[in-house]
Amino acid sequence: GAGVSQSPRYKVAKRGQDVALRCDPISGHVSLFWYQQALGQGPEFLTYFQNEAQLDKSGLPSDRFFAERPEGSVSTLKIQRTQQEDSAVYLCASSLVAPRYTPSADQPQHFGDGTRLSIL
Amino acid sequence: AQTVTQSQPEMSVQEAETVTLSCTYDTSENNYYLFWYKQPPSRQMILVIRQEAYKQQNATENRFSVNFQKAAKSFSLKISDSQLGDTAMYFCASAEWTAGTASKLTFGTGTRLQVTL
Repeated sequence: GAGVSQSPRYKVAKRGQDVALRCDPISGHVSLFWYQQALGQGPEFLTYFQNEAQLDKSGLPSDRFFAERPEGSVSTLKIQRTQQEDSAVYLCASSLVAPRYTPSADQPQHFGDGTRLSIL
Repeated sequence: AQTVTQSQPEMSVQEAETVTLSCTYDTSENNYYLFWYKQPPSRQMILVIRQEAYKQQNATENRFSVNFQKAAKSFSLKISDSQLGDTAMYFCASAEWTAGTASKLTFGTGTRLQVTL
């Protein structure tokens, strides 16, 4: 498709279960981001991939959160032993990379519709 | 680290009127971008307008324009001729430019805009 696709759109899980959220970026976009958006808040950065390499995972809140992008396209965000505070919308975004020598060409991020995760 | 502050949790404007949403930010970088995103109930973040920090000219996009005050670290969004479809959450965001990589966005807490008849 033309845009970023995320699935499932809604996910309900019991506390302690593991969940996996999928992101299919725009074709040709080598950069992929995951953000977490709590209710009534702005999105917060979780992790960033350039192709298959995870270049920044500083935003992952705990070692229960794990993300992968093995072939440099589709990405999966996995949350193990879910807790109620994990309830949020998880947004995926993709973009091109900035050119090496000039800041003149910005590369905006294109977002998916998100997955709303509810932990009971 | 960058921070973005939106001090207006909610705003209301009548259809066809003009409204301004406020945003301040803090960064130690020289090369950065500023953005306004719109998030309707469908949840998808839609880019409204963007500004390169090194450009002095304020960005405009149809009915949307910004007032970028670099020294004051202020980046407000003006919506002219407001339409019912403009009703949404609006997020101000910043991103540092780094050669060869994409940059993570730092978002504010958002302003809920309601356009009324």
